[in-house]
Amino acid sequence: AQSVTQLGSHVSVSEGALVLLRCNYSSSVPPYLFWYVQYPNQGLQLLLKYTSAATLVKGINDFEAEFKKSETSFHLTKPSAHMSDAAEYFCAVSDRQSSASKIIFGSGTRLSIRP
Amino acid sequence: GAVVSQHPSRVICKSGTSVKIECRSLDFQATTMFWYRQFPKKSLMLMATSNEGSKATYEQGVEKDKFLINHASLTLSTLTVTSAHPEDSSFYICSARAQASGSSPYEQYFGPGTRLTVT
Repeated sequence: AQSVTQLGSHVSVSEGALVLLRCNYSSSVPPYLFWYVQYPNQGLQLLLKYTSAATLVKGINDFEAEFKKSETSFHLTKPSAHMSDAAEYFCAVSDRQSSASKIIFGSGTRLSIRP
Repeated sequence: GAVVSQHPSRVICKSGTSVKIECRSLDFQATTMFWYRQFPKKSLMLMATSNEGSKATYEQGVEKDKFLINHASLTLSTLTVTSAHPEDSSFYICSARAQASGSSPYEQYFGPGTRLTVT
């Protein structure tokens, strides 16, 4: 079975500060890993995904994440937070070896930005 | 890019009635579609997986007689909430997987969600 754990249900940073959202995964097979963002009352938007190519993955809006197999982590970072980054962020995992795989989500982290 | 639509975006119904939510892949064929449920300020919980032309596979704890899923074509899946009750009020999100191609054979594309309120 696969799962992801997001450390911290709420993270607050100042505008312009580094954003770090933590995600650890558990998977018995090589995983696909994803970060999604959800704005209030909206659907999900894919920020970035890891599909076994480069371990440092760059996404939209200057977000990036690094796959670290030794730490089973896939933390999301952004060098400088903007007010518009305030949203809910979900880490997710799926099994890349199976065509029957499904995406399983973490519990989410709410990111707040202080002026 | 791949687009998934849901209809309606919001629906209010009375307790005891049934509600149907449609999920469509607009510019690709989806061999597999997924239905998720999201409670307020909570994560997405996978309810079921449906493959075109076959019965849906429900996750543990999801009542298949209450949440009827039909995947009649490669571009359409429907979720019917039967005899809805206030506790069924939630945000329902569908997702579709394209037929394997290129570098992202297993990527899922998400719809914008449907807000169901049962009064």
